Amino acid sequence: DVKVTQSSRYLVKRTGEKVFLECVQDMDHENMFWYRQDPGLGLRLIYFSYDVKMKEKGDIPEGYSVSREKKERFSLILESASTNQTSMYLCASSSLGGYTFGSGTRLTVV
Amino acid sequence: QKEVEQNSGPLSVPEGAIASLNCTYSDRGSQSFFWYRQYSGKSPELIMSIYSNGDKEDGRFTAQLNKASQYVSLLIRDSQPSDSATYLCAVLPRGGADGLTFGKGTHLIIQP
Repeated sequence: DVKVTQSSRYLVKRTGEKVFLECVQDMDHENMFWYRQDPGLGLRLIYFSYDVKMKEKGDIPEGYSVSREKKERFSLILESASTNQTSMYLCASSSLGGYTFGSGTRLTVV
Repeated sequence: QKEVEQNSGPLSVPEGAIASLNCTYSDRGSQSFFWYRQYSGKSPELIMSIYSNGDKEDGRFTAQLNKASQYVSLLIRDSQPSDSATYLCAVLPRGGADGLTFGKGTHLIIQP
């Protein structure tokens, strides 16, 4: 089974901090995705990547950036955290359309 | 604008009955369809995928696809309390370049 590992389950950061969320998958998948999930808004795509050093904006990229230096690792960066970025962040990996999700990181920005 | 619509619920079903979850999508060229189950506080888990018109069965779960009506459904037979969760419908649009589009989910409650 594909395993997608997110480095932190819970994270509390201060407004203005630079935040790194890490995601690693172990099945050599080309495609990796970052979503945030909020009550009433569902899953919203932030960024995705189809290859090393490649990135594409999703529906809500503002305030975020990503890095994919190695195939197995896809990092989400909050350049200057704000309270409206308090959310559940989900990383996913896929090769044939169906995603496997990591366990999620619940980020609180205070 | 790609859209995937689901009734948010809650949908309440007695234990042992059939739970029926529905989903419609806007992109007529969509090619792949998925159902995810998400327990509270957990990440989504893939339970069914379907790619062609008709029914696909896997244990107690049946996915149904009607591309002409742009409609996908999930049936859960012999519902168990452990099936209580939010079920997310996801669609891979034409070309698939932008990844899956998710509905907001239906909250299912199985009453013992």
